[in-house]
This record gives sequence, C-alpha cells and structure tokens, in this order.
Amino acid sequence: DAKTTQPTSMDCAEGRAANLPCNHSTISGNEYVYWYRQIHSQGPQYIIHGLKNNETNEMASLIITEDRKSSTLILPHATLRDTAVYYCIVAGGFKTIFGAGTRLFVKA
Amino acid sequence: GAGVSQSPRYKVTKRGQDVTLRCDPISSHATLYWYQQALGQGPEFLTYFNYEAQPDKSGLPSDRFSAERPEGSISTLTIQRTEQRDSAMYRCASSLDGGAGELFFGEGSRLTVL
Repeated sequence: DAKTTQPTSMDCAEGRAANLPCNHSTISGNEYVYWYRQIHSQGPQYIIHGLKNNETNEMASLIITEDRKSSTLILPHATLRDTAVYYCIVAGGFKTIFGAGTRLFVKA
Repeated sequence: GAGVSQSPRYKVTKRGQDVTLRCDPISSHATLYWYQQALGQGPEFLTYFNYEAQPDKSGLPSDRFSAERPEGSISTLTIQRTEQRDSAMYRCASSLDGGAGELFFGEGSRLTVL
C-alpha cells in the first residue's frame, strides 16, 4: 500500500512554478522519497529522488522537510507539456508502490 | 538494449484464453518489475525479480498470474484463463540494482479480454 498522501489534482499557470506537496508521515530512516510523472498513456518517468537533503536536477527540485514527514516537488517554470500525473513514492528496498498521484494541469 | 522493450504492444483475446507478455529490460539492469495499470489509476505492483530470483510475488492478483525470468534477463508474465477484469495495461520496468535506483519503464502491453 502507498505510504504517501497527495492532493488529487492541482492547477498551475504556464510559466509559473508548480509546487506539488506530498505527505509521508510514516517514512522510516532508510526510505527514499521518489517522484515520477506519467504523461497521458506513456510509462511513468523518473524525475528526482532524495533521502534527507534537498535535491535539484534539470527537471525539478525536491524539498524534504527536516523531519522527513513531507516533501514538495517544484517545477520552476511549468509548461503545457508538464501536464501529467505526478507520483510521490517512498521506498527503501526493491518494492516500489505507486499511489494515485496528483493530476497537474498546466494552463495557458 | 537501449530501453525497456515490451511485446506485444496490444493484445486482444477471448475470455478463458491464456496470454503471455514479454519484457526485455535494459541489458545491464539486475532488477525487473511488473505492474498492472487500469485506466485512470496508478500502476499496481505485481511482482519483481532480482536477476532470476523472484523475492516478492505479493501483488499477483491470483494464481492465474505467473511470471518468470529464467536467465535473469528477459521476463514473461503469463495470465491463464483470462477474465474480463484482467483487461489493463501491463507495464514492465527495470532498474540497475533496485534499492535506491530509478525505474525505467517500457511502453507497456495493453491487454483487452473480450
């Protein structure tokens, strides 16, 4: 079962930052936070992951609270192509469980 | 290969028939996963392999579902006596070493059971 809680859907204006929250209050010490997204009927695509430090790559930034009970994925300048379902996943071993995710709508 | 390859991309079968889906992971990847995804839902974990070992089959819905990875590379997912509720997208993913690694997904196999 998914160990995360995400809003069902969110809107964001094109060009603005999209901030997607995730709660994972039962995360344990060896578990990472992963973010994937799924555009239309394509396979999920890895975005970023982190353990306790904030992380940034060419796609997004991941902010993890100090107590690690929640995190935020930031898309700094959302485009229409970022419209997708975004999955926040907590995993420490091999088993990766997806929840329902957040459906992000980027609007012109 | 360059990416995860799945076949067939589309399969239509009649209820009661057996189907086998194939996954060819990225060649260097030790870990392989199978997911089932219904329309509008997130991927549901079915099973995974670490090389040829299958440590977790907990997500397989019934004993009609089975998966193999005999040589630690290509994997097959077989559904026996298919039912209409088995209609879904079946997704395979591979990872370099599981654990904290990212998953790379294939395009999926869409199964329709009539």
